[in-house]
Amino acid sequence: DTAVSQTPKYLVTQMGNDKSIKCEQNLGHDTMYWYKQDSKKFLKIMFSYNNKELIINETVPNRFSPKSPDKAHLNLHINSLELGDSAVYFCASSQEAGAVDEQYFGPGTRLTVT
Amino acid sequence: AQSVSQHNHHVILSEAASLELGCNYSYGGTVNLFWYVQYPGQHLQLLLKYFSGDPLVKGIKGFEAEFIKSKFSFNLRKPSVQWSDTAEYFCAVSSYNQGGKLIFGQGTELSVKP
Repeated sequence: DTAVSQTPKYLVTQMGNDKSIKCEQNLGHDTMYWYKQDSKKFLKIMFSYNNKELIINETVPNRFSPKSPDKAHLNLHINSLELGDSAVYFCASSQEAGAVDEQYFGPGTRLTVT
Repeated sequence: AQSVSQHNHHVILSEAASLELGCNYSYGGTVNLFWYVQYPGQHLQLLLKYFSGDPLVKGIKGFEAEFIKSKFSFNLRKPSVQWSDTAEYFCAVSSYNQGGKLIFGQGTELSVKP
């Protein structure tokens, strides 16, 4: 069983469209994250949820809206897509919101905006 | 603000050579340190982590890292690399007052020639 799964794996869309990426973890973890990896492979935190509550919101444009229907799911919705949104988006989870736990990463979603 | 710096952007080694990848961080408080590996086309996997105790930590696949507090460093080492170690390596830090988010270095691409 995949611990952290994301769908879709690849997403190609045009500027101005709205798209969603889904993430699910079956590890029973309380905390989930979204990271963005740019074309230079630099990884940066975007959001973090702990038990459905937003705890980290880095300086991300408000076109990005995370939604956590339950603690096993953290979806990312992006409105009015721009070329600069092209990246690989990784979901991750950890047992707690603190700094101690290892984070388990999903396989990533490669978003290409044309 | 916290930051992580990896000294080497791209390292090329022959099989059986020894490896050391540098990582320095800037943060005055207590941190937890991680090395993650990303094999081509795959998600990030934890190699090793340091929270407290023995500053020399051993991870999977023969990797180890040494935490030197006075130098704010957490260098990754392996005595003899294999072709299968070809991957991107990321150093990361987290701290207790940052909600568990990981701050990543820029990554080091390791290419091992057979």
